[in-house]
Amino acid sequence: DAGVTQSPTHLIKTRGQQVTLRCSPKSGHDTVSWYQQALGQGPQFIFQYYEEEERQRGNFPDRFSGHQFPNYSSELNVNALLLGDSALYLCASSLLDRGLMGELFFGEGSRLTVL
Amino acid sequence: LAKTTQPISMDSYEGQEVNITCSHNNIATNDYITWYQQFPSQGPRFIIQGYKTKVTNEVASLFIPADRKSSTLSLPRVSLSDTAVYYCLVGNTGGFKTIFGAGTRLFVKA
Repeated sequence: DAGVTQSPTHLIKTRGQQVTLRCSPKSGHDTVSWYQQALGQGPQFIFQYYEEEERQRGNFPDRFSGHQFPNYSSELNVNALLLGDSALYLCASSLLDRGLMGELFFGEGSRLTVL
Repeated sequence: LAKTTQPISMDSYEGQEVNITCSHNNIATNDYITWYQQFPSQGPRFIIQGYKTKVTNEVASLFIPADRKSSTLSLPRVSLSDTAVYYCLVGNTGGFKTIFGAGTRLFVKA
Protein backbone atom coordinates (compact mmCIF):
# COMPACT_ATOMS: atom_id res chain seq x y z
CA ASP A 1 0.00 0.00 0.00
CA ALA A 2 1.67 3.17 -1.22
CA GLY A 3 1.76 6.07 1.15
CA VAL A 4 1.64 9.71 0.16
CA THR A 5 3.87 10.45 -2.80
CA GLN A 6 5.05 13.86 -3.91
CA SER A 7 6.88 15.09 -6.96
CA PRO A 8 9.30 16.49 -7.71
CA THR A 9 11.49 15.93 -4.65
CA HIS A 10 13.72 18.91 -5.39
CA LEU A 11 13.51 21.80 -7.78
CA ILE A 12 15.13 25.15 -8.38
CA LYS A 13 13.32 28.14 -9.85
CA THR A 14 14.06 31.81 -10.31
CA ARG A 15 12.08 34.76 -9.05
CA GLY A 16 8.93 35.44 -11.03
CA GLN A 17 8.58 31.93 -12.34
CA GLN A 18 5.71 29.56 -11.66
CA VAL A 19 5.86 26.10 -10.11
CA THR A 20 3.51 23.12 -9.88
CA LEU A 21 3.92 20.48 -7.20
CA ARG A 22 2.04 17.19 -7.25
CA CYS A 23 0.71 14.86 -4.60
CA SER A 24 -0.91 11.44 -4.62
CA PRO A 25 -2.69 10.64 -1.37
CA LYS A 26 -2.54 7.42 0.57
CA SER A 27 -4.83 4.77 -0.86
CA GLY A 28 -8.35 5.22 0.45
CA HIS A 29 -7.90 8.83 1.55
CA ASP A 30 -10.13 11.56 0.18
CA THR A 31 -8.67 14.73 1.66
CA VAL A 32 -5.42 16.49 0.81
CA SER A 33 -3.80 19.32 2.76
CA TRP A 34 -0.78 21.35 1.75
CA TYR A 35 1.79 22.85 4.10
CA GLN A 36 4.79 25.11 3.67
CA GLN A 37 7.73 24.54 6.00
CA ALA A 38 10.56 27.05 6.08
CA LEU A 39 13.86 25.98 7.54
CA GLY A 40 13.70 25.67 11.32
CA GLN A 41 9.96 26.30 11.55
CA GLY A 42 6.85 24.19 11.91
CA PRO A 43 4.66 23.40 8.90
CA GLN A 44 2.31 26.26 7.97
CA PHE A 45 -1.13 25.32 6.65
CA ILE A 46 -1.78 26.51 3.09
CA PHE A 47 -5.11 24.93 2.20
CA GLN A 48 -7.10 21.72 2.17
CA TYR A 49 -9.02 20.01 -0.63
CA TYR A 50 -11.96 17.68 -0.38
CA GLU A 51 -14.32 16.63 -3.16
CA GLU A 52 -12.26 18.69 -5.59
CA GLU A 53 -12.96 21.90 -3.69
CA GLU A 54 -10.86 24.08 -1.44
CA ARG A 55 -12.44 23.74 2.01
CA GLN A 56 -10.26 25.99 4.10
CA ARG A 57 -7.30 28.23 3.53
CA GLY A 58 -4.49 29.48 5.67
CA ASN A 59 -2.88 32.90 5.55
CA PHE A 60 -1.34 32.62 2.10
CA PRO A 61 -1.76 35.00 -0.86
CA ASP A 62 -3.67 34.21 -4.02
CA ARG A 63 -0.38 33.36 -5.72
CA PHE A 64 -0.86 30.00 -4.04
CA SER A 65 -3.56 27.94 -5.70
CA GLY A 66 -4.45 24.31 -5.91
CA HIS A 67 -6.55 21.66 -7.46
CA GLN A 68 -7.85 18.23 -6.57
CA PHE A 69 -8.66 15.68 -9.23
CA PRO A 70 -11.38 13.01 -9.24
CA ASN A 71 -8.82 10.39 -8.21
CA TYR A 72 -8.08 12.56 -5.10
CA SER A 73 -4.59 13.53 -6.25
CA SER A 74 -3.74 17.18 -5.92
CA GLU A 75 -1.55 19.95 -7.28
CA LEU A 76 -0.16 23.05 -5.64
CA ASN A 77 0.63 25.97 -7.92
CA VAL A 78 2.65 29.00 -6.94
CA ASN A 79 2.86 31.97 -9.31
CA ALA A 80 5.28 34.88 -9.39
CA LEU A 81 7.76 33.13 -7.13
CA LEU A 82 9.55 35.14 -4.44
CA LEU A 83 12.76 34.32 -2.65
CA GLY A 84 10.68 33.79 0.50
CA ASP A 85 8.80 30.95 -1.16
CA SER A 86 11.86 28.76 -0.76
CA ALA A 87 10.74 25.97 1.57
CA LEU A 88 9.80 22.34 1.93
CA TYR A 89 6.25 21.86 0.65
CA LEU A 90 4.45 19.03 2.35
CA CYS A 91 1.34 17.22 1.25
CA ALA A 92 -0.77 15.36 3.80
CA SER A 93 -3.70 13.08 3.18
CA SER A 94 -6.45 12.00 5.52
CA LEU A 95 -9.99 10.71 5.69
CA LEU A 96 -12.56 13.36 6.34
CA ASP A 97 -14.25 12.60 9.64
CA ARG A 98 -16.03 15.45 11.33
CA GLY A 99 -16.15 13.66 14.66
CA LEU A 100 -12.46 12.94 15.08
CA MET A 101 -9.20 14.73 14.46
CA GLY A 102 -8.03 12.26 11.85
CA GLU A 103 -4.44 11.21 11.45
CA LEU A 104 -2.53 13.05 8.77
CA PHE A 105 -0.20 11.04 6.56
CA PHE A 106 2.58 13.16 5.12
CA GLY A 107 4.70 12.74 2.04
CA GLU A 108 8.44 13.36 2.02
CA GLY A 109 7.91 16.82 0.59
CA SER A 110 9.11 18.85 -2.35
CA ARG A 111 12.10 21.08 -1.64
CA LEU A 112 11.73 24.32 -3.58
CA THR A 113 14.61 26.73 -3.92
CA VAL A 114 13.96 30.14 -5.46
CA LEU A 115 17.01 32.01 -6.71
CA LEU B 1 -8.43 26.37 17.15
CA ALA B 2 -6.69 26.00 20.48
CA LYS B 3 -3.20 27.43 20.70
CA THR B 4 -0.47 25.21 22.09
CA THR B 5 2.71 26.03 23.98
CA GLN B 6 5.67 23.66 24.17
CA PRO B 7 9.30 23.98 25.28
CA ILE B 8 11.53 24.99 22.39
CA SER B 9 14.11 22.28 23.05
CA MET B 10 15.05 19.46 25.40
CA ASP B 11 18.14 17.34 25.91
CA SER B 12 18.26 13.75 27.09
CA TYR B 13 20.54 10.71 27.16
CA GLU B 14 20.02 7.31 25.65
CA GLY B 15 17.96 5.00 27.81
CA GLN B 16 16.20 7.77 29.71
CA GLU B 17 12.49 8.47 29.75
CA VAL B 18 11.57 11.79 28.16
CA ASN B 19 8.45 13.74 28.99
CA ILE B 20 7.39 16.66 26.80
CA THR B 21 4.57 18.80 28.14
CA CYS B 22 2.23 20.87 26.02
CA SER B 23 -0.10 23.58 27.33
CA HIS B 24 -3.47 24.18 25.66
CA ASN B 25 -5.49 26.30 28.06
CA ASN B 26 -8.34 27.05 25.67
CA ILE B 27 -8.97 23.51 24.50
CA ALA B 28 -12.57 22.93 23.45
CA THR B 29 -14.82 20.16 24.72
CA ASN B 30 -14.66 18.20 21.48
CA ASP B 31 -10.96 18.75 20.77
CA TYR B 32 -8.50 15.87 20.57
CA ILE B 33 -4.78 16.10 21.34
CA THR B 34 -2.36 14.70 18.79
CA TRP B 35 1.43 14.46 18.68
CA TYR B 36 3.62 14.22 15.60
CA GLN B 37 7.33 13.51 15.17
CA GLN B 38 9.44 15.01 12.41
CA PHE B 39 12.96 14.18 11.27
CA PRO B 40 14.96 16.63 9.12
CA SER B 41 13.78 16.84 5.50
CA GLN B 42 10.91 14.44 6.11
CA GLY B 43 7.20 14.92 6.63
CA PRO B 44 5.80 14.70 10.17
CA ARG B 45 4.71 11.31 11.38
CA PHE B 46 1.76 10.59 13.67
CA ILE B 47 2.78 9.33 17.12
CA ILE B 48 -0.28 9.24 19.32
CA GLN B 49 -3.69 10.82 19.88
CA GLY B 50 -5.93 11.07 22.92
CA TYR B 51 -8.93 12.80 24.44
CA LYS B 52 -8.55 12.24 28.18
CA THR B 53 -6.68 10.24 30.85
CA LYS B 54 -3.98 8.01 29.38
CA VAL B 55 -3.31 6.51 25.99
CA THR B 56 -0.46 4.12 25.26
CA ASN B 57 0.81 2.58 22.06
CA GLU B 58 3.97 0.76 21.02
CA VAL B 59 6.09 3.91 20.89
CA ALA B 60 4.73 6.39 23.43
CA SER B 61 2.24 7.27 26.14
CA LEU B 62 0.06 10.34 26.34
CA PHE B 63 -1.09 11.64 29.70
CA ILE B 64 -3.99 14.09 29.84
CA PRO B 65 -5.17 15.48 33.20
CA ALA B 66 -8.83 15.87 34.04
CA ASP B 67 -8.96 19.58 33.09
CA ARG B 68 -7.33 18.77 29.70
CA LYS B 69 -5.47 22.09 29.72
CA SER B 70 -2.17 20.32 29.20
CA SER B 71 -0.84 17.01 28.02
CA THR B 72 2.43 15.12 28.35
CA LEU B 73 4.03 12.94 25.72
CA SER B 74 6.18 10.26 27.34
CA LEU B 75 8.89 8.47 25.36
CA PRO B 76 10.30 5.48 27.27
CA ARG B 77 14.00 4.68 27.03
CA VAL B 78 14.89 7.03 24.18
CA SER B 79 17.61 6.23 21.68
CA LEU B 80 19.70 8.44 19.41
CA SER B 81 17.16 7.86 16.64
CA ASP B 82 14.50 9.65 18.70
CA THR B 83 16.29 12.95 18.07
CA ALA B 84 13.62 14.90 16.22
CA VAL B 85 11.08 17.70 16.51
CA TYR B 86 7.87 16.84 18.34
CA TYR B 87 4.66 18.76 17.66
CA CYS B 88 1.59 18.96 19.88
CA LEU B 89 -1.67 19.73 18.08
CA VAL B 90 -5.20 20.32 19.30
CA GLY B 91 -8.31 20.13 17.14
CA ASN B 92 -11.51 18.29 16.44
CA THR B 93 -12.02 17.71 12.73
CA GLY B 94 -10.41 15.18 10.45
CA GLY B 95 -7.26 16.97 9.46
CA PHE B 96 -9.22 20.14 8.90
CA LYS B 97 -6.82 23.06 8.97
CA THR B 98 -4.51 21.26 11.36
CA ILE B 99 -2.19 23.89 12.81
CA PHE B 100 1.37 23.09 13.82
CA GLY B 101 3.27 25.20 16.32
CA ALA B 102 7.05 25.53 16.49
CA GLY B 103 7.44 22.14 18.16
CA THR B 104 9.99 20.84 20.68
CA ARG B 105 13.44 19.88 19.43
CA LEU B 106 14.60 16.81 21.33
CA PHE B 107 18.31 16.01 21.33
CA VAL B 108 19.25 12.56 22.54
CA LYS B 109 22.91 12.15 23.45
CA ALA B 110 24.97 9.00 23.77
